[in-house]
Amino acid sequence: AQTVTQSQPEMSVQEAETVTLSCTYDTSESDYYLFWYKQPPSRQMILVIRQEAYKQQNATENRFSVNFQKAAKSFSLKISDSQLGDAAMYFCAYKSQGAQKLVFGQGTRLTINP
Amino acid sequence: DVKVTQSSRYLVKRTGEKVFLECVQDMDHENMFWYRQDPGLGLRLIYFSYDVKMKEKGDIPEGYSVSREKKERFSLILESASTNQTSMYLCASRKGGLTDTQYFGPGTRLTVL
Repeated sequence: AQTVTQSQPEMSVQEAETVTLSCTYDTSESDYYLFWYKQPPSRQMILVIRQEAYKQQNATENRFSVNFQKAAKSFSLKISDSQLGDAAMYFCAYKSQGAQKLVFGQGTRLTINP
Repeated sequence: DVKVTQSSRYLVKRTGEKVFLECVQDMDHENMFWYRQDPGLGLRLIYFSYDVKMKEKGDIPEGYSVSREKKERFSLILESASTNQTSMYLCASRKGGLTDTQYFGPGTRLTVL
């Protein structure tokens, strides 16, 4: 079974700085999808960014980008120019190509210091 | 915009009570999911459904059952609530495409006394 590990339970960063959240996963599959989800305090979880494993190019969405290292099974999220609204729990998730369900990591709580 | 709604934000029940958590989505999604979220454990899948009246066990189905009589509604049932089921419960839905986004409800924080 696939597993997803987020080794940083908490991170903090100064406003306007850059922060990187780590995620590693374990799988024997070659085709899969990876996601980062954001859960703001008392608000619904939303998708931040997704990466298809067959794509070598790292996904980017505005200030959010990933560093996808397939051989190392690593999928980190970089947030540039951090804003107060970025404060949230961030979850890394894995989906097999043929599956419908996601496997989630333990989450990283990100605090933004003004 | 996709909307996933859950019947309650907060719920307090007593040990042994039967508890129903309701989830409704308005975008005709085939797949619906129930997770529980606990600190340090992330989200763990309880059950999911890929069609009306169809269900599959997730990673932690013990003590739970589900019902999906209509496409838009997916219910989680705790037949006899126990204190170790105190948790945040999240519902989600997505269409059936490979890269389709999974949308989440706001969550129900259940406390079992």
